[in-house]
Formats: sequence, C-alpha cells, structure tokens
Amino acid sequence: FMLTQPHSVSESPGKTVTISCTRSSGSLVGHFVQWYQHRPGSAPTTVIYGGTQRPSGVPDRFSGSVDSSSNSAFFTISGLKTEDEADYYCQSFDANIWILGGGTKLTVL
Amino acid sequence: EVQLKASGGGLVKPGGSLRLSCVGSEFSFSSYSMIWVRQTPGKGLEWISSISTTGVYTHHADSVKGRFTISRDNAKNSLYMQMNNLRTEDTAMYYCARVVSTWPDFWGQGTLVTVSS
Repeated sequence: FMLTQPHSVSESPGKTVTISCTRSSGSLVGHFVQWYQHRPGSAPTTVIYGGTQRPSGVPDRFSGSVDSSSNSAFFTISGLKTEDEADYYCQSFDANIWILGGGTKLTVL
Repeated sequence: EVQLKASGGGLVKPGGSLRLSCVGSEFSFSSYSMIWVRQTPGKGLEWISSISTTGVYTHHADSVKGRFTISRDNAKNSLYMQMNNLRTEDTAMYYCARVVSTWPDFWGQGTLVTVSS
C-alpha cells in the first residue's frame, strides 16, 4: 500500500495547518502511525507516535489524529512559527515493512 | 547524553561496496531495535532496514534486498549496514535510529554515500 500526503502546504505564522496522510488500501491502524519532522541539514525527529502521542520535548502545538472513515491520519500544528518550516512525513507498517509517505513541505510565510 | 554516531559514508563507484557503522552511547544499546533510513537527493525519506535487539530478526526494503545487509554487535554498541553492488540511485544521506516499541525515539546524524563513476 501507499501513504499519500500533499506535496506542499503553506501558511502564515500564528495560523494552524493540517497535513493529511491517506492509506491507499487496507486499514490504517491509528496506533501504528508516526509523523517525522525533517529540516534540511539535520537528522529527522519524531514528532508524533502511535497516531496521537507526542514524544517528550515536542511542543503541544503539535498534534495527531486518525480518522478510520477516511483511512487517513492527520498532523496539525497550531500557532505556526517560522522554525516549523520543514518536511513532514507520515509512516505506518505493512507487516514488518516500514512504509513512509512522500513527505509534505511546510512553508511558513 | 544519548548519541548515535553514523560513519562510513563516502564516494564509491557503481558496483562497489561500503560498510556503514552507527555507534550508540549513553544508553543500553542491546535493549533497542534499530533501523536505517535514507534520503536521496530531491526525494523523501525511505526506510531501508530494521533489526531486532539480538539481531535474529532483520528486514529490508525491496529496493535493497539482496544487496544490503543490516547487522549489529551489541558488545560494541554498534549497528552496521553492508552495502554491496551499489547503484547511482543509492546515493543518499543514511541515518540510523533507535526504536522503542514501534517508533524511532532517537535519530543519529547521517553519513553521506555518493555512488558515481
């Protein structure tokens, strides 16, 4: 299966943005969904795990949700800051294989 | 402070081989599954391989199966990726990460692999 994300999104500082991640076939299991932030020149970081959980140190402006009816996961950043500008990837599993979405470039302008 | 330090990248010709290493420190390395993830130029992140705590169970992406082999030496707190028959499309930054349950809670800085004649 594939995980489909929008190629890019843009929003202004202080606003809220939501990135979608839709599984092409089979059921998206919420507690097996992760979101990663990747800034150019830096290592990726995990910003959401288990569909909705934030690792320690991730600001509560970041949140995740899952909608079984649309077979989609969503990643939301509220109160956007310029430092949030990065690529964001969703990830799930096909048995023991890690499947990553194509990534969404977030521009904060 | 937890650290994962990847090394071993470099310039190699198509068909050549490289061995990447990832050394962990300040945590119980043997307690964590590990993964390798890469980012190719202009493209997104791609999971390459994963390995269980003891190294008994390994999994590889189809794109590298039969050419790349993940392994570990817990006595040396080290993760490895043996890369054979390298192709130009393997040019990428390679990252290692430790996995708790089903998610990577710490990522190392990458090591750059360039495959070019």
